[in-house]
Amino acid sequence: KAGVTQTPRYLIKTRGQQVTLSCSPISGHRSVSWYQQTPGQGLQFLFEYFSETQRNKGNFPGRFSGRQFSNSRSEMNVSTLELGDSALYLCASSLMREGNEQFFGPGTRLTVL
Amino acid sequence: GESVGLHLPTLSVQEGDNSIINCAYSNSASDYFIWYKQESGKGPQFIIDIRSNMDKRQGQRVTVLLNKTVKHLSLQIAATQPGDSAVYFCAEILAGSARQLTFGSGTQLTVLP
Repeated sequence: KAGVTQTPRYLIKTRGQQVTLSCSPISGHRSVSWYQQTPGQGLQFLFEYFSETQRNKGNFPGRFSGRQFSNSRSEMNVSTLELGDSALYLCASSLMREGNEQFFGPGTRLTVL
Repeated sequence: GESVGLHLPTLSVQEGDNSIINCAYSNSASDYFIWYKQESGKGPQFIIDIRSNMDKRQGQRVTVLLNKTVKHLSLQIAATQPGDSAVYFCAEILAGSARQLTFGSGTQLTVLP
């Protein structure tokens, strides 16, 4: 069974630009969560989607948004990029059954110049 | 402040020895506690979880202990192997927060030959 895939793996943008990251969950998984990982702040929850609906949102500004499609694939968008948005963006999928195993993808490394 | 923290940022152990990684938490409303392993260039990998009404749970070569009295969580790895070298994170899921993981800052485990 294929794991969680994220594209692109690496991205370089400049301040003020916007970016869209993509996540394909494990087949059959309907829940997708996004996390930001930085050396200073560690791993921080961005949002979670289930059945195309945002179920939960972390403490990030409105420049960070996401969506989920009917096939459970998810995208996150960051508008008006700032230097501090440079991070590893991780996507995790789960079955939404009893148990807490969330499967993480390898992440997208975003660098904002 | 941070709800979940770790006692030591780094830990070095000899191959074959047992490793103990500790974590403190402050929120009594956590439903689950989870340990993740993150190798360089990869996303976090689920190791084991424990529900808040349990004291101990064992997996393959790993044991998680939960002491609710002092709000302390530990991960024990038996017969540590070179492949265990990674950053280990404890995380919690607060009651009612769906799948949202709140991560600690991580401990870098280095296995010495």
